[in-house]
Amino acid sequence: DQQVKQNSPSLSVQEGRISILNCDYTNSMFDYFLWYKKYPAEGPTFLISISSIKDKNEDGRFTVFLNKSAKHLSLHIVPSQPGDSAVYFCAAREYGNKLVFGAGTILRVKS
Amino acid sequence: NAGVTQTPKFRVLKTGQSMTLLCAQDMNHEYMYWYRQDPGMGLRLIHYSVGEGTTAKGEVPDGYNVSRLKKQNFLLGLESAAPSQTSVYFCASSLRGGRGHNEQFFGPGTRLTVL
Repeated sequence: DQQVKQNSPSLSVQEGRISILNCDYTNSMFDYFLWYKKYPAEGPTFLISISSIKDKNEDGRFTVFLNKSAKHLSLHIVPSQPGDSAVYFCAAREYGNKLVFGAGTILRVKS
Repeated sequence: NAGVTQTPKFRVLKTGQSMTLLCAQDMNHEYMYWYRQDPGMGLRLIHYSVGEGTTAKGEVPDGYNVSRLKKQNFLLGLESAAPSQTSVYFCASSLRGGRGHNEQFFGPGTRLTVL
């Protein structure tokens, strides 16, 4: 049973608009949630994280929101740029700094 | 700094053959990890290591072995490859757990096909 789920396999957004990527989890023991970005033929790179005791973290165009009661987090990208087109993985951290990943969402930003 | 490097980048094996994937990091990280990525499955942890000479099983360890003889290297072995092991393999490293999320740094991946 998947502990971290990204239910949207893909998302298409116009340049300049907001991109919202969603993630749901089941394990209440996760202490950090992270977003990784992946371009083709490259390894994932860290984008932004949020502690389980926070509800929002912002870094430039990227903001992550955490709703613990709903076990849901989302990544907002504003404004979206063509270079943001990539696969975005939601991940949750469990003990030992191990990460549990979602299946990923392909974001396409159209110019 | 090269970060995390993986060799080889591509490999094709026949069923039953063996091979070793090498991961090296130059960031003096204590923790290292091996993941596999399959379509619709995200990244799944195979094995990990919290320090030189230590290894532990992850979510999908069957059919794989690992060794961490040196702090900077983490080897993933397939003793008898099966078509189900066709995948993209990623190595990652991080500092020891503690305050903050301890970002994992990933290598570029190895694409393995087992015929």
